[in-house]
Amino acid sequence: DTAVSQTPKYLVTQMGNDKSIKCEQNLGHDTMYWYKQDSKKFLKIMFSYNNKELIINETVPNRFSPKSPDKAHLNLHINSLELGDSAVYFCASSQWGGEDTDTQYFGPGTRLTVL
Amino acid sequence: AQKVTQAQTEISVVEKEDVTLDCVYETRDTTYYLFWYKQPPSGELVFLIRRNSFDEQNEISGRYSWNFQKSTSSFNFTITASQVVDSAVYFCALSVGGGGADGLTFGKGTHLIIQP
Repeated sequence: DTAVSQTPKYLVTQMGNDKSIKCEQNLGHDTMYWYKQDSKKFLKIMFSYNNKELIINETVPNRFSPKSPDKAHLNLHINSLELGDSAVYFCASSQWGGEDTDTQYFGPGTRLTVL
Repeated sequence: AQKVTQAQTEISVVEKEDVTLDCVYETRDTTYYLFWYKQPPSGELVFLIRRNSFDEQNEISGRYSWNFQKSTSSFNFTITASQVVDSAVYFCALSVGGGGADGLTFGKGTHLIIQP
């Protein structure tokens, strides 16, 4: 069973379009995250949600909007895509408390290419 | 603010050699967690280990071992008898305690190449 899944795996689109990436976790975790990995492999936190509430919102353009319909899902919607948005986007989840506290498990990533 | 430094951008060794990946971290928090993740060529991020700031015991898991030293703010990772399948980018990461929703601060990664 896949623990953290993302769709789609690849996304190729034109500048100016709006797109969404979906993330689901079946680990029963209470916190979910979005990270961006740039072309140099650098990983940076974008957002985190705890029990459907936004906790972290790093300096990310307003064009990026996370939506968490429930604890198991965290979607990322991007408006007016720009060339610089091309990257790999990773979803992750974790649970506070217990032996595994704060360990983040990552989805397979979504490679976004903006043309 | 937190910071993680992986000074080795790329390491290349011949199979069966031992290799150590360095990680130095900075934080003012007294409660924090340190992690190592592996990113193979297929692109996924694989969790390897988590260490909390109160546990300085070294850990060994098969050919992998980790050395955590608070005195030098380091959390180094050693692979013994390396294999070609160990080739990947390895990331060290840090989170600070206090609620569980903090993001990870990643180092820039070390690209490990194991040559047959």
